[in-house]
Amino acid sequence: DAGVTQSPTHLIKTRGQQVTLRCSPKSGHDTVSWYQQALGQGPQFIFQYYEEEERQRGNFPDRFSGHQFPNYSSELNVNALLLGDSALYLCASSLRRYNSPLHFGNGTRLTVT
Amino acid sequence: KQEVTQIPAALSVPEGENLVLNCSFTDSAIYNLQWFRQDPGKGLTSLLLIQSSQREQTSGRLNASLDKSSGRSTLYIAASQPGDSATYLCAVNNAGNNRKLIWGLGTSLGVNP
Repeated sequence: DAGVTQSPTHLIKTRGQQVTLRCSPKSGHDTVSWYQQALGQGPQFIFQYYEEEERQRGNFPDRFSGHQFPNYSSELNVNALLLGDSALYLCASSLRRYNSPLHFGNGTRLTVT
Repeated sequence: KQEVTQIPAALSVPEGENLVLNCSFTDSAIYNLQWFRQDPGKGLTSLLLIQSSQREQTSGRLNASLDKSSGRSTLYIAASQPGDSATYLCAVNNAGNNRKLIWGLGTSLGVNP
């Protein structure tokens, strides 16, 4: 039973570029959430997808967008990259019900130079 | 606004010691609280989830308690081992915010052989 998988594991981009990160949820899960974790900080909620729609969003600008596909996998897109976007991007999957625990992938380490 | 605090920020203990990590939150209206482990540069591993109606959960050498009225949770680790060295984060699932977890900054634990 595969857990949450994220790709790529590491990425280096230049300011102003665009990036797409990918996530496959744990088998049986239907909800995907994305988090940004800066070094030494706790994760910050970006948004959550369920039934291919964005359901909740944190305090992130419109440069951050996403998508969920019919097979429940998800993408996170970031446009016009800034140096401050350098972080570990974590994907978490769960079931829709409130008390379903989150399962995280190992993250994508994005470095913007 | 929910705020989550973890004390201490860092802890170093000799192997074999029992230890307690603390998590406090300001708004007691939560659905559940989760404890996670994070190894350097890696994603998060869910350790224990305590629902708002529960007082504690146990898994192996780990025991997590929840006191909603006082806004506190503790993670007890028995007979610590060097492999327990990691950062431990707690996160609350805030009532009304579905899957948007509010995170503490974590406790960095080092267990010395």
